[in-house]
Amino acid sequence: DGGITQSPKYLFRKEGQNVTLSCEQNLNHDAMYWYRQDPGQGLRLIYYSQIVNDFQKGDIAEGYSVSREKKESFPLTVTSAQKNPTAFYLCASRDRVNTEAFFGQGTRLTVV
Amino acid sequence: AQSVTQPDIHITVSEGASLELRCNYSYGATPYLFWYVQSPGQGLQLLLKYFSGDTLVQGIKGFEAEFKRSQSSFNLRKPSVHWSDAAEYFCAVGELGGGNKLTFGTGTQLKVEL
Repeated sequence: DGGITQSPKYLFRKEGQNVTLSCEQNLNHDAMYWYRQDPGQGLRLIYYSQIVNDFQKGDIAEGYSVSREKKESFPLTVTSAQKNPTAFYLCASRDRVNTEAFFGQGTRLTVV
Repeated sequence: AQSVTQPDIHITVSEGASLELRCNYSYGATPYLFWYVQSPGQGLQLLLKYFSGDTLVQGIKGFEAEFKRSQSSFNLRKPSVHWSDAAEYFCAVGELGGGNKLTFGTGTQLKVEL
């Protein structure tokens, strides 16, 4: 079945450590997105990519980094520079501009 | 810049009652509009979308939404709510052109009383 897979579902990180969240899609979509979700704040865009080897900062990119070496993969690294990384992270992909985004099941990151 | 406002943070309705969730957007041209639903700890599922044409769009699970350009609104409605509709609902607006951005509202948490 086609879809978006995020892993792991739960992730714990010690303060000062970098951590990478995985996002893989087999929908052959060009665009991929990372959102952060906090209670009462909806979804905020971190980074997005329209094509391989290209990506743009979203609204809250500070403390995060991404890569897009393959069309199907868009990993997100939460660096130690992110001051408040505990959140629910959602990955999405989209075909062309006039279609909806498909979402993964999310990764809950907790800093301990 | 595009933006979405969902003025109701929480809404409680009785099962069988009608529902309307409000969404207002800010966008310079004709928007692409979406409603998504999220169960706790899960990803988002598309309920319906508007691109052009008929301003009343039908979605899954008996939901519908009406695009009103004059009011910059895209409210979600359901004639009779079921207990399983309890979830969080997000309105989103899509950007045309090279940006391909989707901007979401802050969501409305729906509680259904039995």
